[in-house]
Amino acid sequence: DTGVSQNPRHKITKRGQNVTFRCDPISEHNRLYWYRQTLGQGPEFLTYFQNEAQLEKSRLLSDRFSAERPKGSFSTLEIQRTEQGDSAMYLCASSLRGFYGYTFGSGTRLTVV
Amino acid sequence: AQSVTQPDIHITVSEGASLELRCNYSYGATPYLFWYVQSPGQGLQLLLKYFSGDTLVQGIKGFEAEFKRSQSSFNLRKPSVHWSDAAEYFCAVGGIQGAQKLVFGQGTRLTINP
Repeated sequence: DTGVSQNPRHKITKRGQNVTFRCDPISEHNRLYWYRQTLGQGPEFLTYFQNEAQLEKSRLLSDRFSAERPKGSFSTLEIQRTEQGDSAMYLCASSLRGFYGYTFGSGTRLTVV
Repeated sequence: AQSVTQPDIHITVSEGASLELRCNYSYGATPYLFWYVQSPGQGLQLLLKYFSGDTLVQGIKGFEAEFKRSQSSFNLRKPSVHWSDAAEYFCAVGGIQGAQKLVFGQGTRLTINP
């Protein structure tokens, strides 16, 4: 069990650029979640996959955000035309079933300049 | 509105003192309840969780939490804190209306005085 892996750990980008983050869940976990955490706040839910199906999306996930989990394994989160307000920690989590084994990765810190 | 409230944004305690961090939620049914700890720039580490059964749950690092249905609370406690406990602590609730997401409180930052 290598845990939930997120890459990159840090990303600095210029406003207007596109960025993509990757999350590799624990291998036997079929559920994968993305959260966003801004400074001084608790994480906020963005989206949830069960296998390759995206089953829940938050209204926080604007049209500029898209997430995929093409083969039910790793997932990517893409932000198009980044804005300064997108600066945050993006956290990925995975679970085996329901809330059992709900494990977070170390996150990707995005800074938009 | 449905929410998770951590009333204390920042708490300072002396090393060796006892600790209690408060968490209240405003959902009708008993949800899944969690406490996570986060060190600066790091992800979230699960301290303990409550799904059902005994309302006093034991976690890692000497932490425990008690679920009180009548008060909609899930407070975190530790009898004697260590300097390494300094971090941000988050209470979270899951399973609201069958959703798979966790809803987090704002967090409590814990500072330890030597």
